[in-house]
Amino acid sequence: GAVVSQHPSRVICKSGTSVKIECRSLDFQATTMFWYRQFPKQSLMLMATSNEGSKATYEQGVEKDKFLINHASLTLSTLTVTSAHPEDSSFYICSAAGTGLHYNEQFFGPGTRLTVL
Amino acid sequence: AQSVSQHNHHVILSEAASLELGCNYSYGGTVNLFWYVQYPGQHLQLLLKYFSGDPLVKGIKGFEAEFIKSKFSFNLRKPSVQWSDTAEYFCAVNPVLRNFVFGPGTRLSVLP
Repeated sequence: GAVVSQHPSRVICKSGTSVKIECRSLDFQATTMFWYRQFPKQSLMLMATSNEGSKATYEQGVEKDKFLINHASLTLSTLTVTSAHPEDSSFYICSAAGTGLHYNEQFFGPGTRLTVL
Repeated sequence: AQSVSQHNHHVILSEAASLELGCNYSYGGTVNLFWYVQYPGQHLQLLLKYFSGDPLVKGIKGFEAEFIKSKFSFNLRKPSVQWSDTAEYFCAVNPVLRNFVFGPGTRLSVLP
């Protein structure tokens, strides 16, 4: 199957700082990438969908100015948590879908655990 | 709004016991259905998927699931679980041309 990587796997930051998380498709071109958030012992909640070269589409209740998403190439999407606060601490997971794959399949990255002190 | 429910929050079984995890969804149109597994400390992995055709789907590691359209269900089964099956299991529904919706997850603990 297709491989999706995320970097970093863990990040600890101070309140008020910004954190950038990268999501890369390693062996396919990801025309669409998805960002999810997973709270402890809860399910994945879709935050936003990004198509390469276009602005991301955010789900209701997700602040687009706080969670900046850039999908500038077919292999890379980034999520920047701006002015992070402790309530932003969570597990962030990206997934990707793209050419050569079934259009309804998503391949998931390993996730990034963000802890804001 | 679309929703996905999973019957059990936490299931505890002994090795060799049979497993059935329930999943129901509330979307009335055409859907694609998935079961994902998340082992402790690891990322989501696809167990199996249903797009069309035979409603009984076989996946990896001996898992299978049955799509019953009239019941809006997609239950996951395994005849004999192993300790290594201990993980979190997520049912996901992807209505055609819409985004994935995940169920809340079921934690499976298999006792050796």
